[in-house]
Parts: sequence; C-alpha cells; structure tokens
Amino acid sequence: AQTVTQSQPEMSVQEAETVTLSCTYDTSESDYYLFWYKQPPSRQMILVIRQEAYKQQNATENRFSVNFQKAAKSFSLKISDSQLGDAAMYFCAYIRGGGSNYKLTFGKGTLLTVNP
Amino acid sequence: GAGVSQSPRYKVAKRGQDVALRCDPISGHVSLFWYQQALGQGPEFLTYFQNEAQLDKSGLPSDRFFAERPEGSVSTLKIQRTQQEDSAVYLCASSLLGGGWGTQYFGPGTRLLVL
Repeated sequence: AQTVTQSQPEMSVQEAETVTLSCTYDTSESDYYLFWYKQPPSRQMILVIRQEAYKQQNATENRFSVNFQKAAKSFSLKISDSQLGDAAMYFCAYIRGGGSNYKLTFGKGTLLTVNP
Repeated sequence: GAGVSQSPRYKVAKRGQDVALRCDPISGHVSLFWYQQALGQGPEFLTYFQNEAQLDKSGLPSDRFFAERPEGSVSTLKIQRTQQEDSAVYLCASSLLGGGWGTQYFGPGTRLLVL
C-alpha cells in the first residue's frame, strides 16, 4: 500500500522568509501524481500545487514550488516570501496514475505558523 | 458559480442514531469523493462516484456506512447506528473530470460528534 509521510508536525517561519515542508512517499509505481493541499483554520482545503511523476521539471505556482526527487521518493514544498495568509495545515498527497485509480492518500500534515 | 457545499456543518448524534450528510458538488463536476478526517490527521478516502456510479467504496469502514449519488449531482453519506469512533469531519470533494488525478475542490466539511 502507498504511504505518505510528513515528518514535520509543525513548522514556523518569519513573514517574508522562505520555508520548506518535507514529504516522502512509498510506492512501487512509476505513474503517479503528487499534490500539496492547504487547509487554513476553519476554511476549506485548497490545492496548492500538483506534480506529474513523468515530468522531470519541478512544478511552480507563484511563490510555491516543489523539489521533486523521484528516485528518493521525496516531494518537498518551498514557500518563498511567506505571508500571514500562508498559515495553515499543509497536506502532501499521492495518487497512482491510470484510469481506474481514485484513492488519494494524504500524509498527516504539517502545521505552518507564520510569525509577523 | 458556487463551490462545494455540505450540510449540516455540525451534527451531534447519540450513539446508535442514524445520520445523513449531504454534499452539493460544483455543477457539472463528474467526480465526487468522500473523505473522513479524524482530529489531527489527514483525510482518509471513503468512496468515489463518477456521475451516479459508485466506482470505489473500498474506504468505507463498515457496512454501517452507505453513500449514494442517484442523479449524478448531490450525494448523501449515511451512517447507521453511529458509534463514538465515527466522530470526525466528513469532507466531500468534486472534480471536473473522471478519475482521481485532477484538482479536487473540497467542501467545508461536516463535523460529526457521536456521544
């Protein structure tokens, strides 16, 4: 079974600084997708960034970028120029590729605090 | 238009009661997912619908859990004879296309407390 591990239960960063959240996963598949989702306090979970395993180029979305190391099965999220609104629980998630795979597997999350 | 909505937002049930949780996905979204999120944990997959067809129910914890999406839009998650271990936030998500690899849009969740 696929597992997703987030080894940092909590992280903190100063406003305007950079922070990196770690994620590792275990799979024997070569075709899969990885995601980072953000869950702000009392608000809905939203997608931050998505990476297809077959793409070697790391995904970026404005201040958010990933470091995808396929051989190491590592998928870290870098947040640059941190803002107060970035404070949230961040979840790393994995899904196997293919047309009949629907189960998104989440890690336990990392709670990010942004200090002013 | 509107995002994914869920009702009720909070539900308190006595052990043994039946509950029904509703999800209104984004209009036109083919895929609908249900997740269970225990306190301090990541969401755990329960079940998946593609239109009205339930293609994966492997995550439902017991036969007390039942989900339906009869017309391919609104979905209901029903829990019969609730137990204390059913206390959790139940999240619904929808996605435009079929399959699980697309962007999932989540609802605010229903927080269920079983006393």
